[in-house]
Amino acid sequence: AQTVTQSQPEMSVQEAETVTLSCTYDTSESDYYLFWYKQPPSRQMILVIRQEAYKQQNATENRFSVNFQKAAKSFSLKISDSQLGDAAMYFCAFTPRDQFYFGTGTSLTVIP
Amino acid sequence: AAGVIQSPRHLIKEKRETATLKCYPIPRHDTVYWYQQGPGQDPQFLISFYEKMQSDKGSIPDRFSAQQFSDYHSELNMSSLELGDSALYFCASSTGTDQETQYFGPGTRLLVL
Repeated sequence: AQTVTQSQPEMSVQEAETVTLSCTYDTSESDYYLFWYKQPPSRQMILVIRQEAYKQQNATENRFSVNFQKAAKSFSLKISDSQLGDAAMYFCAFTPRDQFYFGTGTSLTVIP
Repeated sequence: AAGVIQSPRHLIKEKRETATLKCYPIPRHDTVYWYQQGPGQDPQFLISFYEKMQSDKGSIPDRFSAQQFSDYHSELNMSSLELGDSALYFCASSTGTDQETQYFGPGTRLLVL
């Protein structure tokens, strides 16, 4: 069974500071993909970043980067220079090439 | 760039009625996925289609059915609606060359009264 765990239901960060959101997963698959999606109040699911499990290099997308630890099955998201527009629910997602398995989400508040 | 289109965006139905949700994937995307997100919940996978054939099935109730048409759009048919079916229904699409990345539509908010 595939499971995704986000242990931080809520997080807050000061504007311009850095915050890290945690995600762990469990799978017996060796080839898979990991994603972070952002869901603002509009509830649109917006792709933030993706990571292929076979790549050792951590993915980076502007202010967003991941720390992918395959052995530990950990996939955290780091947001640098946090902006007010980053406030949203963040979902970690895992796919072994078919359906997505989502974590329960982390609600991020950005404090001006 | 074109995105996934879902219609309607909002839908209000009575119990025991039927509803049809439509999804138009990104052009040249051949795979469509349906997800249900209840209030305060994470999205749950319902069903997916690849090249008009069902490719995977999740926690989709027997009262629901779906199909993908020759133009790759998909429809989710929901019958005998229950109060618990009130949720945000997402459609996502992907393409064979990047099957792993799913691009989500804006969702259809269904309210069952």
